Amino acid sequence: KQEVTQIPAALSVPEGENLVLNCSFTDSAIYNLQWFRQDPGKGLTSLLLIQSSQREQTSGRLNASLDKSSGRSTLYIAASQPGDSATYLCAVENTGNQFYFGTGTSLTVIP
Amino acid sequence: SQTIHQWPATLVQPVGSPLSLECTVEGTSNPNLYWYRQAAGRGLQLLFYSVGIGQISSEVPQNLSASRPQDRQFILSSKKLLLSDSGFYLCAWSSMGNTIYFGEGSWLTVV
Repeated sequence: KQEVTQIPAALSVPEGENLVLNCSFTDSAIYNLQWFRQDPGKGLTSLLLIQSSQREQTSGRLNASLDKSSGRSTLYIAASQPGDSATYLCAVENTGNQFYFGTGTSLTVIP
Repeated sequence: SQTIHQWPATLVQPVGSPLSLECTVEGTSNPNLYWYRQAAGRGLQLLFYSVGIGQISSEVPQNLSASRPQDRQFILSSKKLLLSDSGFYLCAWSSMGNTIYFGEGSWLTVV
């Protein structure tokens, strides 16, 4: 069964700093990988979707990379802002339309 | 555009009482539908997913059940709630190869 792990579990950085969140998965036979943002008590909002044939995706200050063979993905956030404070989750979609989520990284950006 | 509605947003129920959480999707047809549970400090646990009307797959044996009476309607139920059923329940939908979209979630507290 697919297992998704995210490191670190929590991260606190000063405003303006660049940061990297890590995600690893055990089964490389994935359809795609996605990064989500979750604000407290809310649902998940999709940030970036990387298909299995792609290496990275960018959206604004966010860049996500995928190394399917090693089972790793990173989410890079440039010039962090207090509004970036949230929990970030990664998820992989296996063939069969099933999504497996990591436990998330709780990010706090200090003004 | 597609939207997903989930209700009720919050629910406090006594142990042993029944449960019904409802989810509907608009703006798409034949979506894959999911119910997830997110316990405090933990990741998302896939409870049920459905690829079509009347087709329900269960990931975790429990006292919960799901039904899909219509193409874009997904219902999570229980006949008798347990304390351990407390958590944040999220409905979601996806279509092949695309991102997964989440509702705003339902907070369930079993007392």
